[in-house]
Amino acid sequence: DAGITQSPRHKVTETGTPVTLRCHQTENHRYMYWYRQDPGHGLRLIHYSYGVKDTDKGEVSDGYSVSRSKTEDFLLTLESATSSQTSVYFCAISETGAQGSYEQYFGPGTRLTVT
Amino acid sequence: DAKTTQPPSMDCAEGRAANLPCNHSTISGNEYVYWYRQIHSQGPQYIIHGLKNNETNEMASLIITEDRKSSTLILPHATLRDTAVYYCIVKRSGSNTGKLIFGQGTTLQVKP
Repeated sequence: DAGITQSPRHKVTETGTPVTLRCHQTENHRYMYWYRQDPGHGLRLIHYSYGVKDTDKGEVSDGYSVSRSKTEDFLLTLESATSSQTSVYFCAISETGAQGSYEQYFGPGTRLTVT
Repeated sequence: DAKTTQPPSMDCAEGRAANLPCNHSTISGNEYVYWYRQIHSQGPQYIIHGLKNNETNEMASLIITEDRKSSTLILPHATLRDTAVYYCIVKRSGSNTGKLIFGQGTTLQVKP
């Protein structure tokens, strides 16, 4: 399995508090991604990174920010958590394969509950 | 990236081959077909991908039709642990982001 860890694995927090989720990889892959998964919506991309300090928005980026100061770490921050951000968050990594293909490898997920 | 269509659910008997279809009739020449699966409560898992030739690895085989408008993922001897949601995704090669868009997938139930 690809070396991807997420921390914390479970978190309960109150509305209005800041929360930071961490994704750590040992594969030296260039690309990193944050997804959220909710019943009825499947996996949706929040933000992604294509290199150190290079990040961009995904399809559901409102209320989230990210940072990548080194290759191995990609942080997702909820500046002021809301109940609608209760979800399971997955981090993924990828690297450019032969002929421009990409395979993404996912972490185990973080279950976040905002009360 | 081309849109894909998959049946919402399928059943398969344990030990038999599971054949999961995917339609991608608008696929273009530089787009790969990827398959992922997600077992309950776990992160998605990459299975296989292909461009135009059939591909096989230790997990599965991928059969792509000659016109590339559809493909089939084959799990040759399904086990109960293969019960999962399977996603077929089409993605242009050479993209500078590697983003994937997940649809609703096919829920495969392997039965004893």
